[in-house]
Amino acid sequence: AQSVAQPEDQVNVAEGNPLTVKCTYSVSGNPYLFWYVQYPNRGLQFLLKYITGDNLVKGSYGFEAEFNKSQTSFHLKKPSALVSDSALYFCAVRALNAGNMLTFGGGTRLMVKP
Amino acid sequence: KAGVTQTPRYLIKTRGQQVTLSCSPISGHRSVSWYQQTPGQGLQFLFEYFSETQRNKGNFPGRFSGRQFSNSRSEMNVSTLELGDSALYLCASSAAGGYTDTQYFGPGTRLTVL
Repeated sequence: AQSVAQPEDQVNVAEGNPLTVKCTYSVSGNPYLFWYVQYPNRGLQFLLKYITGDNLVKGSYGFEAEFNKSQTSFHLKKPSALVSDSALYFCAVRALNAGNMLTFGGGTRLMVKP
Repeated sequence: KAGVTQTPRYLIKTRGQQVTLSCSPISGHRSVSWYQQTPGQGLQFLFEYFSETQRNKGNFPGRFSGRQFSNSRSEMNVSTLELGDSALYLCASSAAGGYTDTQYFGPGTRLTVL
């Protein structure tokens, strides 16, 4: 079975500072990893994904994520946080034996303070 | 391209009733997946449809069902509603439902069961 853990329910960061939202995964075989963001009363917006290749993946709105196979992690990062980045962030994994099903972490609320 | 649309956006039902939710995928997308989002259980996969066939199913009771039409539009139905079915139901579409495909989410339907 596949699983995703987001160890922090909430991350607080000051505007302009770098941010990191953590994600670790467990899956059989090669993982396909995704990050989504959810704003209040909205669906999930796709940020980025790791399929294969370069371990550093760049995505929308200045976000990037680093795939680390040995640590089974896929942390989301941004060099300089904006107040408008405040939202709920979800990490998800898809495994080859799970069809098109995404397994999501519990989510991390990011609060960026001015 | 227009995004994934879901109707209705909000729905209030009473226990024992049934409900049908609708999802129109991004034009050209053939795979539609449904997820349930609740504060307690997080995001959970319901099922996926591709070319009018259910291809994958999550761990939900038989009261939850779905279908897909020839134009890739999908509906999900919940019969004999229970209070615990109150949730945000999210639909996601992808081009072909392949392992590397990105799922794009709609805004969701907020179902409240009284």
